[in-house]
Amino acid sequence: AQSVAQPEDQVNVAEGNPLTVKCTYSVSGNPYLFWYVQYPNRGLQFLLKYITGDNLVKGSYGFEAEFNKSQTSFHLKKPSALVSDSALYFCAVRDSGTYKYIFGTGTRLKVLA
Amino acid sequence: DSGVTQTPKHLITATGQRVTLRCSPRSGDLSVYWYQQSLDQGLQFLIQYYNGEERAKGNILERFSAQQFPDLHSELNLSSLELGDSALYFCASSGTHLATDTQYFGPGTRLTVL
Repeated sequence: AQSVAQPEDQVNVAEGNPLTVKCTYSVSGNPYLFWYVQYPNRGLQFLLKYITGDNLVKGSYGFEAEFNKSQTSFHLKKPSALVSDSALYFCAVRDSGTYKYIFGTGTRLKVLA
Repeated sequence: DSGVTQTPKHLITATGQRVTLRCSPRSGDLSVYWYQQSLDQGLQFLIQYYNGEERAKGNILERFSAQQFPDLHSELNLSSLELGDSALYFCASSGTHLATDTQYFGPGTRLTVL
């Protein structure tokens, strides 16, 4: 069965420091992986996705994510965090054999000034 | 602004009632998805429509139904409402039905059942 795990409910990081938000997945076919961000009282905004090819994917607002097939992970990273990056981050997976989207439980990122 | 619109923004109703949530996808998008976001369940995929046809079903209750109209807007109908149905309901759209598509989310409808 498809599943996504975001093991941290909250991540705190100081402004200017690198950040990582973790995501692991389980699918039976090829994974299509996505990261979305949600600001308070707003819908989700697309950040980046991995479909195939280069394991390092670059996305919006300076975010990037690394696909690691052996560890079934797709961690979100940013070299230098901004206070404005504080939000709720969701990892999602789609199995190549299904149209269903499975979202993780979300990780709240707090960037401290 | 994603280009996906949802109405109404807020809805307050009583248990046992029926409501309809409306979604207009981005111009040119053929797929519409519905999600429920609640504090205890997180973000749950409900259902997907592609060009008027049901494409995928998630954790949608039998009391809930949806449809996509010829002009591609979609409606989510929730009936016999219970307190536990209180949540944020999001609509998203994408260009095609492909699993590789990016979804673009609307601002959501906040449903409160009293």
